[in-house]
Amino acid sequence: DAGVIQSPRHEVTEMGQEVTLRCKPISGHDYLFWYRQTMMRGLELLIYFNNNVPIDDSGMPEDRFSAKMPNASFSTLKIQPSEPRDSAVYFCASSLVDRISNTEAFFGQGTRLTVV
Amino acid sequence: AQSVAQPEDQVNVAEGNPLTVKCTYSVSGNPYLFWYVQYPNRGLQFLLKYITGDNLVKGSYGFEAEFNKSQTSFHLKKPSALVSDSALYFCAVRGNTGGFKTIFGAGTRLFVKA
Repeated sequence: DAGVIQSPRHEVTEMGQEVTLRCKPISGHDYLFWYRQTMMRGLELLIYFNNNVPIDDSGMPEDRFSAKMPNASFSTLKIQPSEPRDSAVYFCASSLVDRISNTEAFFGQGTRLTVV
Repeated sequence: AQSVAQPEDQVNVAEGNPLTVKCTYSVSGNPYLFWYVQYPNRGLQFLLKYITGDNLVKGSYGFEAEFNKSQTSFHLKKPSALVSDSALYFCAVRGNTGGFKTIFGAGTRLFVKA
């Protein structure tokens, strides 16, 4: 398996534009997580899905942020409109969670977003 | 609510010496604990985890961690540090009730000097 795949790796956009980040989780994994990493706030959990259903979006900072998971192999995180303070590295992670082994999350390489 | 504390922003150690990166946690129910490492411009890589069983957990690259329930700690250790161990280390916790939200600590930068 190629692991968790995120695209694009880098994104530079102007303030006010819409940004869409994409993630392909590891096949067979039933949990998908979106994290944001900044120097100031560290690694923050934004939202996570179980079997394509959003379970907890309490970490989503504002209504400008939205996430979808239309099927088991694809998820998007959208920011509309984007602002300079959204600049960060966004990570997607997936895991296969069961009651016995409760496995770890596997992370993608991240998308470095810069909003100018 | 779940929380993780990594009290040290940076740990400095000489190559060949033992290293410890500290982590304490707060969670309802039994904790599931993880350590990850992040190299520059890379995603997080899993090192080891504690789910149940022996309090001393062994993981990748010679790292190990000790779960201490009474002190709610899960410190990362390595008997002999390498320069290549220099990286950012994250402790994470997941509760076993109310969902599977994994919360990460702020991270500790490990610097191993030759």
